[in-house]
Amino acid sequence: KAGVTQTPRYLIKTRGQQVTLSCSPISGHRSVSWYQQTPGQGLQFLFEYFSETQRNKGNFPGRFSGRQFSNSRSEMNVSTLELGDSALYLCASQIDRVHEQFFGPGTRLTVL
Amino acid sequence: GQQVMQIPQYQHVQEGEDFTTYCNSSTTLSNIQWYKQRPGGHPVFLIQLVKSGEVKKQKRLTFQFGEAKKNSSLHITATQTTDVGTYFCAGPSGGSNYKLTFGKGTLLTVNP
Repeated sequence: KAGVTQTPRYLIKTRGQQVTLSCSPISGHRSVSWYQQTPGQGLQFLFEYFSETQRNKGNFPGRFSGRQFSNSRSEMNVSTLELGDSALYLCASQIDRVHEQFFGPGTRLTVL
Repeated sequence: GQQVMQIPQYQHVQEGEDFTTYCNSSTTLSNIQWYKQRPGGHPVFLIQLVKSGEVKKQKRLTFQFGEAKKNSSLHITATQTTDVGTYFCAGPSGGSNYKLTFGKGTLLTVNP
């Protein structure tokens, strides 16, 4: 089975721009979670989608949003980028009722 | 909100020495998961503990879940260079198994 894929792998943006990141989960996984990883804050939960609905949400501002499509692929969007948004954004997929999360390779976002 | 603390933050050992990382949650956990992230990589699931006092072994790795289900530990016997990476514990947050709170991790380096 193919693993979780994320595109793009690297992205450079400037302050004020917006960005969209994409995640394709493992086939059959309907839950997709997003995390932000930074050296200072570690891994922080952004949100989780299941069957096209946001089921869980972390403590991030409204500039961070996401969605999930009927094929379980997910996108997250960050608007009005700030320098502090520079991070590795990780997507993880999960089979329903099984707790193990499978992470993708991440998208490294740099905001200049 | 829920906090998950991990100590130590860093650990450097000589190959062949043992290593232990400790995880403490501010709230009782229904389960705890452990992940490993190699340098430049993404988190990979190691194990899940569910029962109070549970101990599980994977070759040289021993995982324990505390009696009160608020703390956990990972012990590696006779470390090898392949053990290098950051070890994270994670627990469900807000009553959801799909929303994980991660500890900040312990970075293990091994001197050959």
